[in-house]
Amino acid sequence: EPEVTQTPSHQVTQMGQEVILRCVPISNHLYFYWYRQILGQKVEFLVSFYNNEISEKSEIFDDQFSVERPDGSNFTLKIRSTKLEDSAMYFCASSYRGDTEAFFGQGTRLTVV
Amino acid sequence: DAKTTQPNSMESNEEEPVHLPCNHSTISGTDYIHWYRQLPSQGPEYVIHGLTSNVNNRMASLAIAEDRKSSTLILHRATLRDAAVYYCILRPRTASKLTFGTGTRLQVTL
Repeated sequence: EPEVTQTPSHQVTQMGQEVILRCVPISNHLYFYWYRQILGQKVEFLVSFYNNEISEKSEIFDDQFSVERPDGSNFTLKIRSTKLEDSAMYFCASSYRGDTEAFFGQGTRLTVV
Repeated sequence: DAKTTQPNSMESNEEEPVHLPCNHSTISGTDYIHWYRQLPSQGPEYVIHGLTSNVNNRMASLAIAEDRKSSTLILHRATLRDAAVYYCILRPRTASKLTFGTGTRLQVTL
């Protein structure tokens, strides 16, 4: 069964450093998403991406965040200068259309120290 | 976004049916009712969705009230593997993002 894969599974970084979280969405999907979940809290929407541009973003997704689809198979989330409060599980998801079910990856646990 | 209300937690015995309720009294006519679940230490997983009619798939059934102000996710025979947080989410037809609430934590015991 096709799946969304995320790497790395766990990343530890120092405050102020840049991190790039990587995702390989399901190959025929057209919509891509990033969500995050701070430990013990809700899953929060960050951004959706379609047709090589951001289609929607949340208030959390400020100028420190950016997304890219560099090569037609990968989808990345970059955090430019990490803060302690960026520590969370980050989930990538993809869907064939905007109104079809989303498939989530297993997540990348980001720890900022 | 229209809100949903779910019990914080529920318990079930293995092999028994489970009915997970969701209230959404402010649902609009174009909101789809989606259910996702999150197993421990995993990403959310799609379960089922519907608009007006009841829906069945290999994982579960979705019963939608006639006035659409509530719905029930039915797991026909709970297994230990079904222990998870279940999220009822209203998704406008024109929106692609999912807005998760706190969900219902389902415990399944032998």
